[in-house]
Amino acid sequence: DVKVTQSSRYLVKRTGEKVFLECVQDMDHENMFWYRQDPGLGLRLIYFSYDVKMKEKGDIPEGYSVSREKKERFSLILESASTNQTSMYLCASSLSSAGTYEQYFGPGTRLTVT
Amino acid sequence: EDKVVQSPLSLVVHEGDTVTLNCSYEVTNFRSLLWYKQEKKAPTFLFMLTSSGIEKKSGRLSSILDKKELFSILNITATQTGDSAVYLCAVVGYNTDKLIFGTGTRLQVFP
Repeated sequence: DVKVTQSSRYLVKRTGEKVFLECVQDMDHENMFWYRQDPGLGLRLIYFSYDVKMKEKGDIPEGYSVSREKKERFSLILESASTNQTSMYLCASSLSSAGTYEQYFGPGTRLTVT
Repeated sequence: EDKVVQSPLSLVVHEGDTVTLNCSYEVTNFRSLLWYKQEKKAPTFLFMLTSSGIEKKSGRLSSILDKKELFSILNITATQTGDSAVYLCAVVGYNTDKLIFGTGTRLQVFP
C-alpha cells in the first residue's frame, strides 16, 4: 500500500514564526504536491515537484516555499506565518507515467496561526 | 481558466436513498476525471474516467463521464451512514500531472 505521511496532525504557531511541514512517501513516486483545503474553497494547489530539486508554483504560492532534496520527502515552508495561513494542509504524491494520475494523500496537518 | 464545479454543495438523505452527485468542468485538453471520497482526513481515490459513456462501478458506487457535455455523475445506491463524506471531483489535462479540484459535495446519510 502507498503510504504518505505528514510530520504533524495538528500544529499551533504564532504570527511571524517560520513553519516547516514535512511530507514523506514510500512508493518511489516522482510527483509530490502540497495543497491547502479551506471550507467553500476546496483543495488549492500551493506547489508541486516533478523531481528532486525541481519545483513549480501552483495556484496560490504566495507566502510559501518548498524544498525537495530527496525523492521521498517534500517540505512546505511558511517563512513568516500569518493568520490567513490557518488551514488544513494536505500532501499528495503520484507516479509520473502515462495513464496514471491518481494522487495518494497524506492525513493532513491542521495548522492554526494565532 | 480551467475550473471544476460540483453540485449540490451539500446533501442530506436517509439510509437506503439513492443519490446523484454532479461534476461539470472546463479544462484545456481534457485527459481524465477523478472522483475521491474524503471522510475525516485524507481523500481516498474512487474512480478515474477517461472515455465517454463507459460506466465505472464499485459496489454501490458508479460513475460515468460525458465528454461532449463536459460533466460526470457519481451515483450511490442504497446509501449507508458510512457513505457520509465529502466527495471531490478533479480533472487533469494533457502535458501536466496537476489535478484541478472542485469544492466538493458534502453528503450526510442519517439512519
